[in-house]
Amino acid sequence: QSALTQPRSVSGSPGQSVTVSCTGTSSDVGGDNYVSWYQQHPGKAPKLMIYDVTQRPSGVPDRFSGSKSGNTASLTISGLQAEDEADYYCCSYAGSYTYVFGTGTKVTVL
Amino acid sequence: EVQLVESGGGLVKPGGSLRLSCAASGFTFSNYNMNWVRQAPGKGLEWVSSISSSSSYIYYVDSVKGRFTISRDNAKNSLYLQMNSLRAEDTAVYYCARDWAGTWSIQHWGQGTLVTVSS
Repeated sequence: QSALTQPRSVSGSPGQSVTVSCTGTSSDVGGDNYVSWYQQHPGKAPKLMIYDVTQRPSGVPDRFSGSKSGNTASLTISGLQAEDEADYYCCSYAGSYTYVFGTGTKVTVL
Repeated sequence: EVQLVESGGGLVKPGGSLRLSCAASGFTFSNYNMNWVRQAPGKGLEWVSSISSSSSYIYYVDSVKGRFTISRDNAKNSLYLQMNSLRAEDTAVYYCARDWAGTWSIQHWGQGTLVTVSS
């Protein structure tokens, strides 16, 4: 039940693309396709942005995309906008109704 | 509209107990697995516990095993977390969170309730 590893921070200018990585093990991220990503603005509850590695819930802009290779998942934000500045957390299903979250990444729009 | 409203947080002394509640509405509560997720001040998210739709399966993060008990009342559309032997490191905002049926992700979150463990 160790937290997934994310970079502490990433940044980009408006219109640019940024990628947040999320590294786990073969028991979580690499074990199946149940990686999700959450956006959290200060003082707010998390919001689901990506599920099942690549799927976007209704209402999430298509500039958010997800991928996975081996034990590392990634979230890419294309065409970065000011409102995308937030904390982002990856999450993986770890079996037996349990989840493990990532350490969190602060995305800054320069 | 799905709503999850937590209550029961507050200030408690180390070793004390607290019971959190989550009132659910806007969906058929008995059809969904539910979770508690917490976030210590300035820290990241941590999954705490989950309970299947019929309460048949219950799991906890290692750090709360033997101290916390998750339960639900499908007739009252409510989720609970009984927290005993509280420690300073349990201080956090506790979120009630609903799974997305058919996959393994957390689709909906409440606004959270703050639990502070301090003497």
